[in-house]
Amino acid sequence: DSGVTQTPKHLITATGQRVTLRCSPRSGDLSVYWYQQSLDQGLQFLIHYYNGEERAKGNILERFSAQQFPDLHSELNLSSLELGDSALYFCASSPTGADQPQHFGDGTRLSIL
Amino acid sequence: SQELEQSPQSLIVQEGKNLTINCTSSKTLYGLYWYKQKYGEGLIFLMMLQKGGEEKSHEKITAKLDEKKQQSSLHITASQPSHAGIYLCGAAFGGAGKSTFGDGTTLTVKP
Repeated sequence: DSGVTQTPKHLITATGQRVTLRCSPRSGDLSVYWYQQSLDQGLQFLIHYYNGEERAKGNILERFSAQQFPDLHSELNLSSLELGDSALYFCASSPTGADQPQHFGDGTRLSIL
Repeated sequence: SQELEQSPQSLIVQEGKNLTINCTSSKTLYGLYWYKQKYGEGLIFLMMLQKGGEEKSHEKITAKLDEKKQQSSLHITASQPSHAGIYLCGAAFGGAGKSTFGDGTTLTVKP
C-alpha cells in the first residue's frame, strides 16, 4: 500500500461528458502529480501541484484541469470527453519536489463509450 | 518518451536466469528512478540513483547509474516469476517537477 488513495477505481461514461477524479496523497506529502497511461502513449505526465500551487505542466489537454486543495487532496477534471481519453489515470505524491521518488496510487480506469 | 529510451521493449527469460534492462537518456540525469508495474496496477518505487557511478541493490535487483550520468541499467539476478511485470525508468528534467518516464520493459519469467 503506497498510501496514495485514488477514487473511483473505475469510471464508465459517454462521450461529451465530464468526470472528476480524486486523489489523496500520502500523509505529509505536499506534491501531487497526475499521469495518463494508455497502451499507445505510455505513461504521460499531465501536471504537478505543490502545496496548492501549480508547479509544472506536461501534455495536458485544455479540456482537462486540476487543482490541489488546502487539505492537499487533488482533483483532475476531464470534460468534453472523447473516446481517446479512455486510459488509466494515476496520481502520485512526494514529500516536496520531483527530485524525490514518487509514490503512486492504484489509478482510476476511465472508459469512454 | 524520446528523452528516456528503454531497451529491450520486452524480455522473456527462463526462471533462474539473469537479465539486464537499460535506460538511456538524451540529457544529463540528475536523478533516475526505477519503478515496477503489474499490468493495470500502480507503479511501485524500486530505487533512486543520483550520483554517477552509484549502484543500489534491493533483494536480487541491482541498478546502476553510469559515470556520465546518461544511462542506467537494472540487473536482476536469478529471476523468479515474482519479478515479472513492467519496469519503467523515470527522471525529472528541467527541475520544476516535470517528470518523464520511459516506455517500459515488459518482463516475462517462465517457470
